[in-house]
Amino acid sequence: GESVGLHLPTLSVQEGDNSIINCAYSNSASDYFIWYKQESGKGPQFIIDIRSNMDKRQGQRVTVLLNKTVKHLSLQIAATQPGDSAVYFCAESGGGSYIPTFGRGTSLIVHP
Amino acid sequence: SQTIHQWPATLVQPVGSPLSLECTVEGTSNPNLYWYRQAAGRGLQLLFYSVGIGQISSEVPQNLSASRPQDRQFILSSKKLLLSDSGFYLCASEDGLAGAGEQFFGPGTRLTVL
Repeated sequence: GESVGLHLPTLSVQEGDNSIINCAYSNSASDYFIWYKQESGKGPQFIIDIRSNMDKRQGQRVTVLLNKTVKHLSLQIAATQPGDSAVYFCAESGGGSYIPTFGRGTSLIVHP
Repeated sequence: SQTIHQWPATLVQPVGSPLSLECTVEGTSNPNLYWYRQAAGRGLQLLFYSVGIGQISSEVPQNLSASRPQDRQFILSSKKLLLSDSGFYLCASEDGLAGAGEQFFGPGTRLTVL
């Protein structure tokens, strides 16, 4: 898609702060959403997911919020640590298509 | 969970040379398989996906091709590489029975075409 050619936006935070990474999705029929974390030189890894019948889901130090009205997804990381530094991607799927659509990604930089 | 193997980890190839990247999957049967390319500091570009042996769908027209000779084997090929083929290639697998769901990614192959 068009977003794959754009440089990633960057979020810089201090260690211990809470981080919020946002994602706008495109398909109002999507019913499954995932956040992935990609460390430098590695493949993306699953962090947390949420289905469209929920608006919030919590994991260990992470929370995903889904606002279907404005087609917005966010990932909140509590007490951010240097090991959280990575690129974070959201992905949407469903609504008749199992092929996921990835967002452009956000680079999170955590300063010690 | 699934384990995705990719090799080689890094590859430097001259322009015009052929390419073959291999991906194998453990821990599942009849997965949906995907090839993505990622340029430095960019997002994921879906290249090919497959829902079964011999079934390949192409998302982006280019000089690359994919094949799935076995259920858990996915191969990305090119007859003649271009400079623009440089990038980080990722193979991903998804539970075919579950449909849209979590994708498991391999460690990637970093390809440099000179």
